[in-house]
Amino acid sequence: AQSVTQLDSQVPVFEEAPVELRCNYSSSVSVYLFWYVQYPNQGLQLLLKYLSGSTLVESINGFEAEFNKSQTSFHLRKPSVHISDTAEYFCAVSGGYSTLTFGKGTMLLVSP
Amino acid sequence: GAGVSQSPSNKVTEKGKDVELRCDPISGHTALYWYRQSLGQGLEFLIYFQGNSAPDKSGLPSDRFSAERTGGSVSTLTIQRTQQEDSAVYLCASSVVGGESYEQYFGPGTRLTVT
Repeated sequence: AQSVTQLDSQVPVFEEAPVELRCNYSSSVSVYLFWYVQYPNQGLQLLLKYLSGSTLVESINGFEAEFNKSQTSFHLRKPSVHISDTAEYFCAVSGGYSTLTFGKGTMLLVSP
Repeated sequence: GAGVSQSPSNKVTEKGKDVELRCDPISGHTALYWYRQSLGQGLEFLIYFQGNSAPDKSGLPSDRFSAERTGGSVSTLTIQRTQQEDSAVYLCASSVVGGESYEQYFGPGTRLTVT
């Protein structure tokens, strides 16, 4: 069985400040890790993923996440956030070609 | 190309009625998933179709829920005798199987409200 814990349900931050959204997982098998983003009134979009290789993965809009196997974590970070980053962020795991197990989500609220 | 589409986008129904939610996956995607997004529960897996294999129904919350996938493409999720706790956004996703993507592409969802 797999599970995902996102410790923060809501993270308020000022524009241009750094942010870290935390994600921890548990699994009895090797996992693939994902961050999905849901902008207001929109569907889920893949932000970035870790499958294998380099433990640091990046998205095209400046987010990065690092897979830490010993700490079973996949925290999402951005050094300087924008108002447009306001959204709900979901961490998810899967065992491959199978269903995703999601965390409960973290609402990132960026204010000027 | 076209993404995953779902219909209707919104559905309001009375308690006890049956509803059908439709999903059109991306052409060529052999895997199709249904999830439910509700307040307090987050995103929950419901059912998974892969090619001609028997679907994985392990996430269906009760026998009032069922789904089918016709011709390996369109899928319909049916909820019988709806209850207020069924109110949620129902999300469909599809993916290819094979290669190294593992990405699931999500539709916009159907918001179901049971009154």
